[in-house]
Amino acid sequence: DGGITQSPKYLFRKEGQNVTLSCEQNLNHDAMYWYRQDPGQGLRLIYYSQIVNDFQKGDIAEGYSVSREKKESFPLTVTSAQKNPTAFYLCASSIGLINTEAFFGQGTRLTVV
Amino acid sequence: DQQVKQNSPSLSVQEGRISILNCDYTNSMFDYFLWYKKYPAEGPTFLISISSIKDKNEDGRFTVFLNKSAKHLSLHIVPSQPGDSAVYFCAATLGGSNYKLTFGKGTLLTVNP
Repeated sequence: DGGITQSPKYLFRKEGQNVTLSCEQNLNHDAMYWYRQDPGQGLRLIYYSQIVNDFQKGDIAEGYSVSREKKESFPLTVTSAQKNPTAFYLCASSIGLINTEAFFGQGTRLTVV
Repeated sequence: DQQVKQNSPSLSVQEGRISILNCDYTNSMFDYFLWYKKYPAEGPTFLISISSIKDKNEDGRFTVFLNKSAKHLSLHIVPSQPGDSAVYFCAATLGGSNYKLTFGKGTLLTVNP
């Protein structure tokens, strides 16, 4: 089955610790994205990558870092510099062609205590 | 500044009736528009899309209308079913080589039996 896998589904971390969220896709998609969802805020773009070894900041990149060493993988690190890290994080991918939809993973709920 | 706006946080309709979800945008360069449906603690799933060169796209019970002059699109669901109850997100892309999606804040649709 092709799809996007995010792991883990729930993650708890202590304040001040960095944490890395995993996102893997086997759809052979070129483009991958990380979004954050907060209550009443919709989905806000953190980082996106249109091709391997290249990525761009989204609207709320501060306190986050990413890498795109492989086409299938786009891990997101939430650093201690992120002031409000508790949120629902969504990874997505798309073929990377004009006018195509993005497919989303099931999300990771990160809670920082 | 929010480029994609969903001004109704919630909408309640009776089963069998029409649901109309609205979305406005401010960036005239948006080229492609999408609607996603999202259940709590899950990733969004793609519903339907429309290119800026069209004014209507239909897929079963779902129809999206685009009014470029008004920078407005709407999603019609006919007939509405209780399983349609979810948060609906409107999204837009600039097209060309820019694939990133800009989302609205979402509208919670409740379909009452």
